[in-house]
Amino acid sequence: EIVLTQSPATLSLSPGERATLYCGSSQYISSSLAWYQQKPGQAPRLLIFDASNRATGIPARFSGSGSGTDFTLTISSLEPEDFAVYYCQQRYNRPRTFGQGTKVEVK
Amino acid sequence: EVQVLESGGGLVQPGGSLRLSCAASGFTLSSFSMSWVRQVPGKGLEWVSGISGSGAGTYYAESVKARFTIARDDSKNTLYLQMNSLRDEDTAVYYCVGGGIDSGYFWRHWGQGTLVTVSS
Repeated sequence: EIVLTQSPATLSLSPGERATLYCGSSQYISSSLAWYQQKPGQAPRLLIFDASNRATGIPARFSGSGSGTDFTLTISSLEPEDFAVYYCQQRYNRPRTFGQGTKVEVK
Repeated sequence: EVQVLESGGGLVQPGGSLRLSCAASGFTLSSFSMSWVRQVPGKGLEWVSGISGSGAGTYYAESVKARFTIARDDSKNTLYLQMNSLRDEDTAVYYCVGGGIDSGYFWRHWGQGTLVTVSS
């Protein structure tokens, strides 16, 4: 099973600041990685797929990069609605696995 | 508009059974990669089971293998998850999720979730 490790667990930032979230894979997964955002009481929302492609309707301030085993999600300038939990997920092989999540909170 | 709507959650005793349903609209299930993902309230996400677009391939997490069965009724455009021999640790919100080629078959579409509580 592929283990995805996200860091940091919590990121405390202010609106307007840049957020950088990391996801490391225990095995090579090419670019087969997605990022999801989840707000309290809501289902997750797909932000980025195939490591760097924004899903439909996702603002340009969200960007993804990386391949192989190391991946990054960047939010260029945090908006109030961006404070949430972010998960990475791989579909390189089964079982599909998620990282444990990074909470982006207001500083 | 693409939508998925789960139903069938509820309270069940340990060892009991429950069947979840996921009604899809705006797309045909056979064109999407569909799965069930669960989340213990306040915790992370766990993939439970998936089915290929053709319906020929079904896949399970080790934690549910031999207890859960995923199936699809194309005539009703509905996905199911039959859950047997339920355990306390199966308590979670279960999401029906799907994705097509426009999202690299990652899960762009999520239902609102249905809560399954296993307790005596």
